[in-house]
Amino acid sequence: DAGVIQSPRHEVTEMGQEVTLRCKPISGHDYLFWYRQTMMRGLELLIYFNNNVPIDDSGMPEDRFSAKMPNASFSTLKIQPSEPRDSAVYFCASALGTGNRGYTFGSGTRLTVV
Amino acid sequence: ILNVEQSPQSLHVQEGDSTNFTCSFPSSNFYALHWYRWETAKSPEALFVMTLNGDEKKKGRISATLNTKEGYSYLYIKGSQPEDSATYLCAFISQTGANNLFFGTGTRLTVIP
Repeated sequence: DAGVIQSPRHEVTEMGQEVTLRCKPISGHDYLFWYRQTMMRGLELLIYFNNNVPIDDSGMPEDRFSAKMPNASFSTLKIQPSEPRDSAVYFCASALGTGNRGYTFGSGTRLTVV
Repeated sequence: ILNVEQSPQSLHVQEGDSTNFTCSFPSSNFYALHWYRWETAKSPEALFVMTLNGDEKKKGRISATLNTKEGYSYLYIKGSQPEDSATYLCAFISQTGANNLFFGTGTRLTVIP
């Protein structure tokens, strides 16, 4: 398996633009997570899905952020409009089961909003 | 948001030294404790998942213990090597938190050759 695949690896965009981050989880995994890594707060959970259904989106910072999982092999995290404070590394992770197995993380997308 | 604390924040050791660091988490409603190894410019990799009080896990020179009653876990590295240099993260799941992993801020280990 190629692991969790995220794209793009790097994204530089201007403030106000829409940004879409993509994730392909490991085949067969039933949980998908979006995390954001910042210097101030470390790794924080934004949202997670179970069997393509959003379960907990309480970590999504505000309405500018949205996430979808239209099928078991694809998820997107969208920021519209983007702001400089959204600059961070965004990780997608997938897992099988209820947390008693390790999560597999993608390589992350480094987002810079200027 | 649950409080998961790791100490120390950073650590420098000489090659060949053994070392350990701590993860503290809420002792109530425990479900699982994860340890991850995170090398610079890479993504976190799972080391251990621990679910039972008294659990001990080992992978090569790295081992971990778990005390759910007092809310702490230790990660040990025996005979540190430069390739062990990384940030070590622990993450906690509560029984009421479904699959929500709460991460500590990590211990950054540098092994000096």
